[in-house]
Amino acid sequence: QKEVEQNSGPLSVPEGAIASLNCTYSDRVSQSFFWYRQYSGKSPELIMSIYSNGDKEDGRFTAQLNKASQYVSLLIRDSQPSDSATYLCAVGHFGNEKLTFGTGTRLTIIP
Amino acid sequence: EAGVTQFPSHSVIEKGQTVTLRCDPISGHDNLYWYRRVMGKEIKFLLHFVKESKQDESGMPNNRFLAERTGGTYSTLKVQPAELEDSGVYFCASSQDNGDGYTFGSGTRLTVV
Repeated sequence: QKEVEQNSGPLSVPEGAIASLNCTYSDRVSQSFFWYRQYSGKSPELIMSIYSNGDKEDGRFTAQLNKASQYVSLLIRDSQPSDSATYLCAVGHFGNEKLTFGTGTRLTIIP
Repeated sequence: EAGVTQFPSHSVIEKGQTVTLRCDPISGHDNLYWYRRVMGKEIKFLLHFVKESKQDESGMPNNRFLAERTGGTYSTLKVQPAELEDSGVYFCASSQDNGDGYTFGSGTRLTVV
């Protein structure tokens, strides 16, 4: 079992719809959770962090964390073609120590 | 503010040669990390510096890899001698001490032929 699992996709979503990206992790003591967006050939870019159970909203993005189920998700509302990228889920024990990444989900927004 | 800078952006070397990658973190970031992504695999941790000290080097694959961060500023990652399986994209990242995620550099794509 991988430490951080993501559906590799590709996930295709019509423009304007909600894109839902999911991630599960195996280490129960994980405390910090991040979503990074990576455009092809570019560096990963941090878009959301979440540390407590529940939802965290930032603009069109909402991160959801359920530690009991070891599950973290990212919702993108009103999807835009510019949201087409690979989304990486990353999990850590503490904010400044090593992160364990999933392989990423490739998202394509269809105009 | 300037971001995390890595160079070279690309490097093609022959098996057995030596390559040195450099990373300049964001000014004031004490934490510096090296990660690697081999094609088709996830990004994997190599090591973590806090200032000039190695906090965690558990991800370094073997003794052909040597990382340094003299003076707690920029860092270098040397691979000597390079093997075919070392090919991949090497990312550097840095962060402040607030636990709010990293900023990644654009990476160095290393190809060993």
